[in-house]
Amino acid sequence: EVQLVESGGDLVHPGRSLRLSCTASGFTFNYYALSWVRQAPGKGLEWVGLIRSKAYGGASEYAASVKGRFSISRDDSESIAYLQMNSLKPEDTAVYYCTRVGGSYYNYWGQGTLVTVSP
Amino acid sequence: QSVLTQPPSVSGAPGQRVTISCTGSSSNTGAGYDVHWYQQLPGRAPKLLIYGNGNRPSGVPDRFSGSKSGTSASLAITGLQAEDEADYYCQSYDNSLSGSIFGGGTKLTVL
Repeated sequence: EVQLVESGGDLVHPGRSLRLSCTASGFTFNYYALSWVRQAPGKGLEWVGLIRSKAYGGASEYAASVKGRFSISRDDSESIAYLQMNSLKPEDTAVYYCTRVGGSYYNYWGQGTLVTVSP
Repeated sequence: QSVLTQPPSVSGAPGQRVTISCTGSSSNTGAGYDVHWYQQLPGRAPKLLIYGNGNRPSGVPDRFSGSKSGTSASLAITGLQAEDEADYYCQSYDNSLSGSIFGGGTKLTVL
């Protein structure tokens, strides 16, 4: 059974950093791209970024709203993906979901982890 | 303002059919990129409902169907049930933004 478990969400002050983890199981981790999607309280879904598998170069891409502040990495030996978030802003407050990419869609989602950015 | 436009809400009585539209532009749906649909039950993570415009993952009832034509796509739900009450999101790719995009979401109320 495919499982994605996010962790690391917390309450942080603006300007600080936070790293989220996504621990995967139930599939061959290194075969797949992974993506992060977030949802602000009471709002819709927003794509944050993606990291490709090493077979496809391992490159990452980001939404304009987080480019230069967020970075995604992966440890295929541990089946973990990370979202490093720097220079956090109040508008980054959201539930962050880790997803497995299937083609151009997200076929498996974690339960999410809440990040709150507040003074 | 989302790049993909969905109605904020739709409603229907049990047993009825409802449709949810998703309208994009020439840089996303109109450029031939597929549309996918997700269902988000209250307090839960989203779940893939339709992929590749009209394909259902294993386990999704055939009451749910999707289609796409030009810049627009739609999700149809027939035989509406109380447990279908949820938020529904469409998703595609935009080549001018170089990334994935979501619609603003549609809240389905079963009367």
